[in-house]
Amino acid sequence: SAVISQKPSRDICQRGTSLTIQCQVDSQVTMMFWYRQQPGQSLTLIATANQGSEATYESGFVIDKFPISRPNLTFSTLTVSNMSPEDSSIYLCSGTANTGELFFGEGSRLTVL
Amino acid sequence: GQNIDQPTEMTATEGAIVQINCTYQTSGFNGLFWYQQHAGEAPTFLSYNVLDGLEEKGRFSSFLSRSKGYSYLLLKELQMKDSASYLCAVADTPLVFGKGTRLSVIA
Repeated sequence: SAVISQKPSRDICQRGTSLTIQCQVDSQVTMMFWYRQQPGQSLTLIATANQGSEATYESGFVIDKFPISRPNLTFSTLTVSNMSPEDSSIYLCSGTANTGELFFGEGSRLTVL
Repeated sequence: GQNIDQPTEMTATEGAIVQINCTYQTSGFNGLFWYQQHAGEAPTFLSYNVLDGLEEKGRFSSFLSRSKGYSYLLLKELQMKDSASYLCAVADTPLVFGKGTRLSVIA
């Protein structure tokens, strides 16, 4: 099974700042995704990270707020820009194996003051 | 549209059997996943069904009926450590998650 590493695992940020979350997988995956999980909620897909091109964003999420990079098959970053307390959440990187199974990173817990 | 329904909360006794149901209506279907998520942790994979029928894996079994848009996760010989949220997710590229069922196992 694929191992997915995310960092930072947690951070406390000030309003108006930006934070970049890094995600590394240890084997080639077919697709990579970024999810958000707000307190007490299920997972919501932010975007699909596309290698070498712009990410595909879901409704309600825009590139200016959540810029995503994926320079190669096994690495991606998500930036949460101009943060507000409403952005306090767990952000999860995930990758899909050939079987279709989805693997998750440990998550990055962001608290915005 | 996408719609996945599962009960919000369930309580069961240690050693018992519990069934968590999931119904879905999605525009596409490439299989159904069940994930377990302990509080504060990332979800972990439990099962994947793409054909109708029952898949058994130790104490956990998952059932799928594509014609009925229905699945269930069956947990046997419940243990306290099974207290967690259980997420039903439909593979519609990408996965569409239900809101999760919070299971509490009591002594």
